[in-house]
Amino acid sequence: NAGVTQTPKFRILKIGQSMTLQCTQDMNHNYMYWYRQDPGMGLKLIYYSVGAGITDKGEVPNGYNVSRSTTEDFPLRLELAAPSQTSVYFCASSRSPTGAKNIQYFGAGTRLSVL
Amino acid sequence: AQSVTQLGSHVSVSEGALVLLRCNYSSSVPPYLFWYVQYPNQGLQLLLKYTTGATLVKGINGFEAEFKKSETSFHLTKPSAHMSDAAEYFCAVSGSGYNDMRFGAGTRLTVKP
Repeated sequence: NAGVTQTPKFRILKIGQSMTLQCTQDMNHNYMYWYRQDPGMGLKLIYYSVGAGITDKGEVPNGYNVSRSTTEDFPLRLELAAPSQTSVYFCASSRSPTGAKNIQYFGAGTRLSVL
Repeated sequence: AQSVTQLGSHVSVSEGALVLLRCNYSSSVPPYLFWYVQYPNQGLQLLLKYTTGATLVKGINGFEAEFKKSETSFHLTKPSAHMSDAAEYFCAVSGSGYNDMRFGAGTRLTVKP
């Protein structure tokens, strides 16, 4: 059972380039999330989705876009990459978005450097 | 709104010693509390969670945490550290609202032989 799969694992971008981080889950979860993890800062929510076709902004959405055309896939798009977007990106999914049932399952992450 | 503070970004213990990782939370509603563990080059995985009821919660790999409402704390402990426990640990809090989970900054645990 794969769980949450992210690709690529590593990427180096030049300033101004664009890329898409891929995320897919096989647990039939409606709720999916994108986080960025910066040293000493924990995880910050970028975008989330409550189902196919429905997405919403999290704490730090600027410079990113998402789409959710299927239950399984939740890609994150970086347009015009900037050094401030150097980070580790995690995709997660959960069966429920609230309270005790909000157990999130994480992918292994994408380590992105923007130079 | 919920928030979490993890005291100590780095904790180092000897193998066989007690592990204590500290977490304090702030919540305007009864909180749901979680500890996640992140091994090198992996994503986070759930270690244990507190919902309601028993305040001492047991998780995987011999870890446990105690919910203390009066101290707004949810510290993680393990009686005897093992080399395989070396990882980063995140405390998280969620209320009953929609998509309101917040993670702490993390504590990196090093285990010395």
